Amino acid sequence: GAVVSQHPSWVICKSGTSVKIECRSLDFQATTMFWYRQFPKQSLMLMATSNEGSKATYEQGVEKDKFLINHASLTLSTLTVTSAHPEDSSFYICSAREWTVADEQYFGPGTRLTVT
Amino acid sequence: SQQGEEDPQALSIQEGENATMNCSYKTSINNLQWYRQNSGRGLVHLILIRSNEREKHSGRLRVTLDTSKKSSSLLITASRAADTASYFCATAPREKDKIIFGKGTRLHILP
Repeated sequence: GAVVSQHPSWVICKSGTSVKIECRSLDFQATTMFWYRQFPKQSLMLMATSNEGSKATYEQGVEKDKFLINHASLTLSTLTVTSAHPEDSSFYICSAREWTVADEQYFGPGTRLTVT
Repeated sequence: SQQGEEDPQALSIQEGENATMNCSYKTSINNLQWYRQNSGRGLVHLILIRSNEREKHSGRLRVTLDTSKKSSSLLITASRAADTASYFCATAPREKDKIIFGKGTRLHILP
């Protein structure tokens, strides 16, 4: 089946630094990737949608200059949290959609970010 | 913004009993999906039901969809301790290239 990986699985960084999270589709080509954020005991909130080779579309309320998304290839999207603050601590999950299977998204295992 | 609302928010039942979770949504959809998430882990896709389908089965899972009421239900039969998790419905609104998650139901199976 379709597999999506994320790296790292967890990261701790200091306030003010930037951290990059990678999302890879391992056995399929993902024309579209999605980034979600999940706070403890809450649901997943869509942050942005990225299509390969074009700029990401951000959801209302998500700062595009703070959460930089790059989808440079059909198998890799990155989310960079810039100038991280403790309130950015969260579980970040990506998903990828294969262009031939428009209905289904395949989710990565998530990255837990802790900003100290 | 969240499209779906699950009901109940939390559910505790005895092992062996059936668990029913409901999801209501607001706009027309292409499909609705149910996911499971164990604490601190990623999502597991359970089942997808399209807008022209009314019921779908997968093992011990049964999902119904009523587009006239904009609602769906997930039934887990003969529950097991391993079913303890959070369950989310996610809808794919028409003409929107994304899926939106509901708030989830936290299911706890008592031994």
